[in-house]
This record gives sequence, C-alpha cells and structure tokens, in this order.
Amino acid sequence: EIVLTQSPGTLSLSPGERATLSCRASQSVSNNYLVWYQQKPGQAPRLLIYGTSIRATGIPDRFSGSGSGTDFTLTISRLEPEDFAVYYCQQCGSLPLTFGGGTKVEIK
Amino acid sequence: QVQLQESGPGLVKPSETLSLTCTVSGGSINNYYWSWIRQPPGKGLEWIGHIYHSGSSNYNPSLKSRVTISLDRSKDQFSLRLSSVTAADTAVYYCAKDPTTVTPAYWGLGTLVTVSS
Repeated sequence: EIVLTQSPGTLSLSPGERATLSCRASQSVSNNYLVWYQQKPGQAPRLLIYGTSIRATGIPDRFSGSGSGTDFTLTISRLEPEDFAVYYCQQCGSLPLTFGGGTKVEIK
Repeated sequence: QVQLQESGPGLVKPSETLSLTCTVSGGSINNYYWSWIRQPPGKGLEWIGHIYHSGSSNYNPSLKSRVTISLDRSKDQFSLRLSSVTAADTAVYYCAKDPTTVTPAYWGLGTLVTVSS
C-alpha cells in the first residue's frame, strides 16, 4: 500500500500569501496518477487537480500542481478568503487507492 | 457533466448490513471505475473499493472481508454493502467516479450513515 504523507499538518497564512502543500508517497506513484482535493466543513471534497497538474473545470489558475515519482506539490499562488480549507492528496496508480491525511490551511 | 447521488438508510443497527446505492446521471456507467469512499466525523478520507464497468471490483484490504460492490448497468447505478457494522463504521459515505490521468473525478454530495442501536 502506498502511504501518502502530507505536510505540514496545518499551514497558517494570511490572504494574499503563497501556500505550498507537500504530498510525499512511500513508493513511486505510477503514471503520476496524483489528485488534489479541497474540502470545507460540511461539504464533499472538491476536485482541484488530477493527473498531477491538470486543473479541473472551473478551478482558478492560482491553483497549480506539480511533481513526479514520490514528491508532489500543490501551490496556491495568492490565497483568497475562500481558499482556507483542508486539502487532501490521493494516489490512483496502485491498489488500494489511498489518501493523505490532509493539510489544513487556516487564516493567520 | 456527470452527477452522482447516494441513497440509503441513515441509521443502521450494530451487526447488521449497511446498504447504499449511487445513481449516476449525465453520463453512462459503462466506462471507468466507480468508487465508494468514507469519512468518519472529524477524520480523513478512506477508500472502500471500486468497480469497473465490466463488473470486476477491488477492495481496501482493511475492509475486504465485509464489503461487496455491485453494478446495475440498466439503471446506471452501483451499490455498496458493508456487513457486520459497528460504531466505527459511522461515517459520511461518498460515491465517486475515479479520475484517470486525463479525465477528472466526480463525487456525490455524500450521505451520513450512523451505526447505533
């Protein structure tokens, strides 16, 4: 099983700042089959990025994904008030599919 | 735009079987993998398993002995059965289309299932 470790656990930033979220895999993620979600309280996860770097429909270009192998990054170039949420990565390249434990981006 | 909606009982007694159905609209179930995912209150996401349009399925080893996922192509539905439930199975259950390297994921809104007598 591929274990995904997200860091930091909590990121305290101000609106307008840049956020860099890390997702490290215990083994290489095949075909860069890495996905990022945003989740707000009481809501279902919202797809942000799939295929490591492809923005989902309607996702602002301040969100970008990068990485390969075992190291992946979600970058939010300038935080907007609506971006404060929990972010999860998921790998879909190997069974069982697995999720990271999440990074909470909170207002400083 | 593919949409998914979960349906089923919100309350299940301990030791009984949890059953949920996911209805897919805006697209055919005759492609891709279709997953069940759950999230206990205040915790992270856990993949339960998925089924391919051919009917082949894969499960999380931690739940494999208790899980069955099935497909009804005629209704564009897939279903989850989780047997011998305990309070630890209390969670919001989501159905989803798996992403591929070139196609996005789609998720339902989720349904809370509470295991309690």
